[in-house]
Amino acid sequence: GIQVEQSPPDLILQEGANSTLRCNFSDSVNNLQWFHQNPWGQLINLFYIPSGTKQNGRLSATTVATERYSLLYISSSQTTDSGVYFCAVYTDKLIFGTGTRLQVFP
Amino acid sequence: GAGVSQSPRYKVAKRGQDVALRCDPISGHVSLFWYQQALGQGPEFLTYFQNEAQLDKSGLPSDRFFAERPEGSVSTLKIQRTQQEDSAVYLCASSLVGPGSEQYFGPGTRLTVT
Repeated sequence: GIQVEQSPPDLILQEGANSTLRCNFSDSVNNLQWFHQNPWGQLINLFYIPSGTKQNGRLSATTVATERYSLLYISSSQTTDSGVYFCAVYTDKLIFGTGTRLQVFP
Repeated sequence: GAGVSQSPRYKVAKRGQDVALRCDPISGHVSLFWYQQALGQGPEFLTYFQNEAQLDKSGLPSDRFFAERPEGSVSTLKIQRTQQEDSAVYLCASSLVGPGSEQYFGPGTRLTVT
């Protein structure tokens, strides 16, 4: 089946720093979502982005479907950005990546 | 508007007991999904409904797991004769149209089997 790898697995930042999270997938996909799982376990939708670039406030995402990767950019990070970031790709079901655990310190 | 809701939020069961987990999807959403998330892992697909029809149950780990959505809205995931390896967070998601459209997740039910 399709493999979805995320990097880095762990990221520690000071408040105000910028970061880039990467999601690589091993086969063609029909769509891709980015989620933030907060410390209470809730999965929060960030982007639905099968291709192209989208921005929402301090966050933006780019998916290059032909090269089988997606990037999530977080600018001016805040402590509330802490948690686990998942990408998930859809083929005939939604397959989640390995996750990036982000900790932002004041 | 209201998001996906799940109940109970926490459930402790003794090994061998049956449990029932409930999901209320976003109103009007056609598709409903169940996922299992083990500690430190990403969610894994269990099953998918389009309205009341269960179109994919390939992720259900054993015949002890059963899901239903009889009226095409609320869904129940039932686990019979629970075992310790069933301990996990069970997440429900819904999407407006087909399974490839954007999925929205509920807060999950944390099941602990002792």
